[in-house]
Amino acid sequence: QKEVEQDPGPLSVPEGAIVSLNCTYSNSAFQYFMWYRQYSRKGPELLMYTYSSGNKEDGRFTAQVDKSSKYISLFIRDSQPSDSATYLCAMKGGGNNRLAFGKGNQVVVIP
Amino acid sequence: GAVVSQHPSWVICKSGTSVKIECRSLDFQATTMFWYRQFPKQSLMLMATSNEGSKATYEQGVEKDKFLINHASLTLSTLTVTSAHPEDSSFYICSAMPPRWTNQPQHFGDGTRLSIL
Repeated sequence: QKEVEQDPGPLSVPEGAIVSLNCTYSNSAFQYFMWYRQYSRKGPELLMYTYSSGNKEDGRFTAQVDKSSKYISLFIRDSQPSDSATYLCAMKGGGNNRLAFGKGNQVVVIP
Repeated sequence: GAVVSQHPSWVICKSGTSVKIECRSLDFQATTMFWYRQFPKQSLMLMATSNEGSKATYEQGVEKDKFLINHASLTLSTLTVTSAHPEDSSFYICSAMPPRWTNQPQHFGDGTRLSIL
């Protein structure tokens, strides 16, 4: 079983829709959870960073962490064509600075 | 916010050439930097962890003599792909770790696309 599971299936949504992405993990030592956005041929850009269970909101983005279920989510409200990108979940913990990544979700927002 | 600069963004060179990629943290001192490789439509694969003033730690299967890493200052790490061959063509990305006391995550550079002919 991989440490981090993220269904890589491409996701197409109409503009204005809510995008819902999620990852599951198996390592209970993970304490820090991140979502990165990556445009084609660019490096990952940090979107959200959380280290406690619950919700964290930043503009149109909401990150949700459920440590008891080992499940994290990212919601994008009022999606825009500029949100079209690959979204990577990442996490770390147990005194280790190395990030464990999900495979990434390619999101396409159709105008 | 924190910014990591990576240079060059794209390089094309002949087989057998050595290529150096620079990674700079612009807003903070980074004792730890990471080097990743990414293939098309895949996630990032950690190659090595670069620690300022000491030898890099390489992941299993990564040839340290092939991918030379130097982290000579708190703001600069370099990756040199020695005697590059077409199979080394890939997207290389660095990241820098802000000081531990900031409790901030890694920030990534914009990547270097390496094409070996």
